[in-house]
Amino acid sequence: NAGVMQNPRHLVRRRGQEARLRCSPMKGHSHVYWYRQLPEEGLKFMVYLQKENIIDESGMPKERFSAEFPKEGPSILRIQQVVRGDSAAYFCASSPPTRAADTQYFGPGTRLTVL
Amino acid sequence: AQSVTQLDSQVPVFEEAPVELRCNYSSSVSVYLFWYVQYPNQGLQLLLKYLSGSTLVKGINGFEAEFNKSQTSFHLRKPSVHISDTAEYFCAVSDGGAQKLVFGQGTRLTINP
Repeated sequence: NAGVMQNPRHLVRRRGQEARLRCSPMKGHSHVYWYRQLPEEGLKFMVYLQKENIIDESGMPKERFSAEFPKEGPSILRIQQVVRGDSAAYFCASSPPTRAADTQYFGPGTRLTVL
Repeated sequence: AQSVTQLDSQVPVFEEAPVELRCNYSSSVSVYLFWYVQYPNQGLQLLLKYLSGSTLVKGINGFEAEFNKSQTSFHLRKPSVHISDTAEYFCAVSDGGAQKLVFGQGTRLTINP
């Protein structure tokens, strides 16, 4: 059973460009979470999605950031008009469609560098 | 709102020595507690979790943690560390209903030979 997959692993963008980060959850998992890890900091929750629904986006910046988890295909975290402060590691996690407190399984992350 | 405080940003220890990584949390509701490990340039791997029941939780790689409700702590311990335990360790809390994890700042464990 493959783990959570994220691509690309490394992404370099210039200021003003768009960044698209992809996450394929573990097989059978329908819950996806995105976290951001700034240098020398812990992970900060961004958004929680189920198939075709955003459940909690309380950690998402109000502008430029969006996320989706379509019926088919991976979850996408999209950052428009990137700025240097967006440079970070972005981790995706998934969990099965059962009750709360299920373990979240993390992917290897996408390391975004904004030049 | 929930929060997690990891009291030590860095912990250096000698190989085969015991180690304790401290974690305190604040929450107004019942919580679930987790410890994750992050090796360099990798994702997070679950070490152990407390959901309910026995307050002493055993995890992978010889780690264990004890939930102390009165002190709102969930310290991680290992009786004898190995070079391969060098990594960043994160304590996290969830109130279950909210699903999202709230992480501490992390503790960098360095094992010296």
